[in-house]
Amino acid sequence: QVQLKESGPGLVQPSETLSLTCTVSGFSLTSYSIHWVRQHSGKRLEWMGRMWSDGATSYNSAFTSRLSISRDTSTSQVFLKMNSLQTEDTGTYYCARSYIRGLNYVMDAWGQGTSVTVSS
Amino acid sequence: DIQMTQSPASLSASLGETVSIECLPSEGISNDLAWYQQESGKSPQLLIYGATRLQDGVPSRFSGSGSGTRYSLKISGIQPEDEADYFCQQSHKNPWTFGGGTKLELK
Repeated sequence: QVQLKESGPGLVQPSETLSLTCTVSGFSLTSYSIHWVRQHSGKRLEWMGRMWSDGATSYNSAFTSRLSISRDTSTSQVFLKMNSLQTEDTGTYYCARSYIRGLNYVMDAWGQGTSVTVSS
Repeated sequence: DIQMTQSPASLSASLGETVSIECLPSEGISNDLAWYQQESGKSPQLLIYGATRLQDGVPSRFSGSGSGTRYSLKISGIQPEDEADYFCQQSHKNPWTFGGGTKLELK
């Protein structure tokens, strides 16, 4: 059974660093890409970046200077680190997997999301 | 970045009715378009990929159409469980971008 589960601190102080973990099961990180997507309270979805199946990364330039995505294939985990957090980084953070089916990318499984509040 | 303009922002429909949601990318995306349903308090679920291809397990009352810079999601014969938010998303160019969402409510 394919599962993704995000975990993280819930509350982060302004200017500090956010660390999130996406733990997957039922598939291999070496066969699928893992994306990080966040959703603001107003429901707007924002793609942050991805870890490709070969270990390469791609980032949304809106976050490039402060976002890092890494992984540990031995524990089936993908990590997100983002520094210099501000209140506008408050939202729900999702990890999701994707693969190519035919000619199309398919983002077919999402985690339940983890809520992050940036506040002092 | 490719901007995804989605409309309407909300709509109200009766059981059994047919509705459409539109998504207009700011440039051509060669059918690299997906639609998601997000029920309240849950994560997005894939409905359609490649603009027209139904994801496994999704009811056939959902259908996608379009090309170039104009895409639509149609729900034929709305059911109670269809009350949700709907989002389009392009994967043609980085960064992947989403439409602003459509809230579907039942009358």
